[in-house]
Amino acid sequence: DAGVTQSPTHLIKTRGQQVTLRCSPKSGHDTVSWYQQALGQGPQFIFQYYEEEERQRGNFPDRFSGHQFPNYSSELNVNALLLGDSALYLCASSLLDRGYPEAFFGQGTRLTVV
Amino acid sequence: ELKVEQNPLFLSMQEGKNYTIYCNYSTTSDRLYWYRQDPGKSLESLFVLLSNGAVKQEGRLMASLDTKARLSTLHITAAVHDLSATYFCAADSTGTASKLTFGTGTRLQVTL
Repeated sequence: DAGVTQSPTHLIKTRGQQVTLRCSPKSGHDTVSWYQQALGQGPQFIFQYYEEEERQRGNFPDRFSGHQFPNYSSELNVNALLLGDSALYLCASSLLDRGYPEAFFGQGTRLTVV
Repeated sequence: ELKVEQNPLFLSMQEGKNYTIYCNYSTTSDRLYWYRQDPGKSLESLFVLLSNGAVKQEGRLMASLDTKARLSTLHITAAVHDLSATYFCAADSTGTASKLTFGTGTRLQVTL
């Protein structure tokens, strides 16, 4: 089991550009959640995808959008990048089953906006 | 809105000593998670606490949950250098681990 995989691992973008980050969930998981972790902070919830729909969203602007594919993999898109978007972006997968609630995290994508 | 607070934010301790990290959360949340993060790395799941009074132990780490007090603790026994990392607690407002609210983290430094 490869666990949760994210790509790319590092990315440098210029202000105003757009970026797409990718995540493949752990085998058997159907839910993908995205988090932003600024340096020295705890991860902040961006949104959650289940059955190819955004189910919950945190306090992030519409510049942050996502998608989930039929194979449960997911993308996070950020438009009009700002310097403040520089962070570690983490993807977590889980199974929408209250009997076994556990989230597993990928290795993250380090985004630097210059 | 669910809020999670950890203390201390930074902890420097000598090898062999014991210490406790505290995690308070603001609203009802019956599930509490502890993660470890090494510098530049992702989050490693340590404990999943699913009910009031839950206690779990792994090696030198022991976590407990008191849902009535809205408090979880992570106790470190006889610390070793390898435990140096940042520890996060996270509360779950959905019951499915799909939307976790994290504390600010406790950076633990174990010195020789």
